Amino acid sequence: QKEVEQNSGPLSVPEGAIASLNCTYSDRGSQSFFWYRQYSGKSPELIMFIYSNGDKEDGRFTAQLNKASQYVSLLIRDSQPSDSATYLCAVGEDSSYKLIFGSGTRLLVRP
Amino acid sequence: DTGVSQDPRHKITKRGQNVTFRCDPISEHNRLYWYRQTLGQGPEFLTYFQNEAQLEKSRLLSDRFSAERPKGSFSTLEIQRTEQGDSAMYLCASSLAADEAFFGQGTRLTVV
Repeated sequence: QKEVEQNSGPLSVPEGAIASLNCTYSDRGSQSFFWYRQYSGKSPELIMFIYSNGDKEDGRFTAQLNKASQYVSLLIRDSQPSDSATYLCAVGEDSSYKLIFGSGTRLLVRP
Repeated sequence: DTGVSQDPRHKITKRGQNVTFRCDPISEHNRLYWYRQTLGQGPEFLTYFQNEAQLEKSRLLSDRFSAERPKGSFSTLEIQRTEQGDSAMYLCASSLAADEAFFGQGTRLTVV
């Protein structure tokens, strides 16, 4: 059973701080890694994807991938109250057509 | 709006009734996925279409569930003889080849 593990949180950070969200996965053959943001009652929204080891930056977001450790993380710099949401980590197989999701980490950014 | 569109957004049905949901993917996307999400969990994969071909069905998709994608355009997901355990958010997503998948707004099903 392929698994993606996330701490459910909530992770509480003050406004302006860096929020660090972590995810581990069980399948060494996984090739693609995604972070989705989900507000309460809404559908997931893709915010970052990463395919290679290392860091990938997009605005205030940085995704980090370490395939040897089977570890993915998402850093959110200068956190804003509007970033308060559940962050879902998803892992794709070779063809990346099927995503295995973690249960999400709830982030709370305090004004 | 050129995103993934799902209809209806909400559905309340009595146990034992049949329901059908529709998904219109982003127009150039040839891949279409259905996921189900329950409270506090991440989405779970149900089925996948490449164009009109249904290439995989999860074991979660019992015989009461059927999905179609005629002509490789919109897709429908039907649940027959609904049960209370079917209450969930049903999410449709689409992608172009092996690229990132984009989700629609979802259909929230409540079985009473």
